[in-house]
Amino acid sequence: SQELEQSPQSLIVQEGKNLTINCTSSKTLYGLYWYKQKYGEGLIFLMMLQKGGEEKSHEKITAKLDEKKQQSSLHITASQPSHAGIYLCGADGGGNKLVFGAGTILRVKS
Amino acid sequence: KAGVTQTPRYLIKTRGQQVTLSCSPISGHRSVSWYQQTPGQGLQFLFEYFSETQRNKGNFPGRFSGRQFSNSRSEMNVSTLELGDSALYLCASSIGPRQLYEQYFGPGTRLTVT
Repeated sequence: SQELEQSPQSLIVQEGKNLTINCTSSKTLYGLYWYKQKYGEGLIFLMMLQKGGEEKSHEKITAKLDEKKQQSSLHITASQPSHAGIYLCGADGGGNKLVFGAGTILRVKS
Repeated sequence: KAGVTQTPRYLIKTRGQQVTLSCSPISGHRSVSWYQQTPGQGLQFLFEYFSETQRNKGNFPGRFSGRQFSNSRSEMNVSTLELGDSALYLCASSIGPRQLYEQYFGPGTRLTVT
């Protein structure tokens, strides 16, 4: 079965700094999703990447899909306290099942 | 437009009991997926319903079941509760099949089994 590994597990950055979160798959990626979650709450959809080389941006968040490396990266530019939370990547694990990484906890110090 | 709503938000049950959780999708959405989130196992896919039919199911025992009604509202049921079933249960809806459309999540139901 497909597994997703996220790195780093947690991250503390100073407000205004850039950061990158990675999501590496044990199998070929056919669809990769990024979500954000505030502790104990539902997930907020950020982006869906479906093609190798695809890159999408929303406000100060950019996500890329490197199909060859079976990896996706999420980059936040000029971080703000509102970016704090848990970032989760998800992918189609076959049989129409969605699998998730363990999450990356982001804290932004102001 | 109202978001995905889940009821109840919090629930405490005793081992051996059964529980039913409800999810109302965004108006016009026909797909509902359920997820279980625990500190140890993280976020895991339970099942997806589309047009009242279960499209697929995650690796959970038969004690976990669900259904979807003609108005797209969905319920999930857990019978013979175990302590390990304590978790945040999330549902998400999308216009169509999950792989093709963006999912919107509800706030979750926090289930505690004692």
